[in-house]
Parts: sequence; C-alpha cells; structure tokens
Amino acid sequence: GQNIDQPTEMTATEGAIVQINCTYQTSGFNGLFWYQQHAGEAPTFLSYNVLDGLEEKGRFSSFLSRSKGYSYLLLKELQMKDSASYLCAVYDSNYQLIWGAGTKLIIKP
Amino acid sequence: DVKVTQSSRYLVKRTGEKVFLECVQDMDHENMFWYRQDPGLGLRLIYFSYDVKMKEKGDIPEGYSVSREKKERFSLILESASTNQTSMYLCASSPPTREKVNEQFFGPGTRLTVL
Repeated sequence: GQNIDQPTEMTATEGAIVQINCTYQTSGFNGLFWYQQHAGEAPTFLSYNVLDGLEEKGRFSSFLSRSKGYSYLLLKELQMKDSASYLCAVYDSNYQLIWGAGTKLIIKP
Repeated sequence: DVKVTQSSRYLVKRTGEKVFLECVQDMDHENMFWYRQDPGLGLRLIYFSYDVKMKEKGDIPEGYSVSREKKERFSLILESASTNQTSMYLCASSPPTREKVNEQFFGPGTRLTVL
C-alpha cells in the first residue's frame, strides 16, 4: 500500500530551528509537496520538490532524497505564527496526491 | 489570487438528510477535488473532476456523489447523511497536470456535524 509517515506533534521554541521529517512509500514518485495549515483554516502551499536536494524559500527550506523516500521541512527563526500543522503529500505514478496525516507544530515563547 | 470558496463554514444536519456542499473557484481551473479531513488521518480524497461533467472516484466515495455542471463549481452530495460522515470537508482546485505539476488551492473548509 501507499504510505506517508510524519511525526504527529512537535514542540519548539520561538527563535529556534525545527526540522519536520516525512518518509514515504508510494507507487512511483512525481514530486513532494509541503503545505501549512493553521487550525480551522485551509492548507496553503509551501514548497514542491521533485529533484534531490535542498530548496530554500526565506525562513523555510525543504529537502528531498528520492533514493531514501525521505523529505524534511526546515523552519528557521521560528515565530509564534508558525504554530500550525504541516502536511506532506506525494504525487504517485498516476499523479494521485497521497497525503500524510500532518505534523502539529507548537511554538513556545 | 486564486480563490476557492465553500458555501458554508459550519453545517449541522440530521441523520438521513440529503446534504449539499458547494465549492466555487475563480481561476478557471480544470481540476477540482473533494477531501475529508479527520484527526489523525491524512486528507482523504472522496471524488475529483478533470472537466465539466466528468467525475472520478477517489479513495472513499461510498455514501457520496458529486456534480460538475459548470467549470467553476463542484458540488458534493451526501445522499443520506450518517454520523460517520461528521468531518471537515475541503474542496480544492488546480490547473491541469500536463507539462508541469501544479499545487492544489484549497477552500476554507466546511465542518459538517451529523446528529
């Protein structure tokens, strides 16, 4: 079956750095997305990786290793507004989007 | 900015009622999707549509149907609501995946409670 694993919850301190991991087993791979979802709101797009390596976008970076079926989202200089759930999703060989359950990130002052 | 709107943020219905959830997008996207989101589970795809009048079953279509009469509108129908359909329902749209992969844009969600 197809599966995406993320930690359920993480806690970090304002101003610090946090890394949220995502591992996947899917039938084929056509890219990996990270979305942010604040409580009670819609998911919003953060990043897309299809090639191995690190993509940096401001305070947020996303890394992909296709051979390991692994990605991480790195958040730097954490702010209180970064408290949200972070969803990892993979496009399989049929371009169906497979979603992880999300990681709830709690930021403490 | 892409805008995806859903007809209600909160909805309370009784078991056995027919329920309509409406979704409208303003970016002329061909693809539209209906998901449900439950605690501890990832987004689960109910139905999707690649064009007007077209519909495809997702992972959990049982108990649901959809309608896409116009490109901008995608409706989800619960023929006879049951308590296990209490959930957050999210609509999304995206341009077609032809030459490049595109992200999905989500509506604000409808939290449906079935009593």
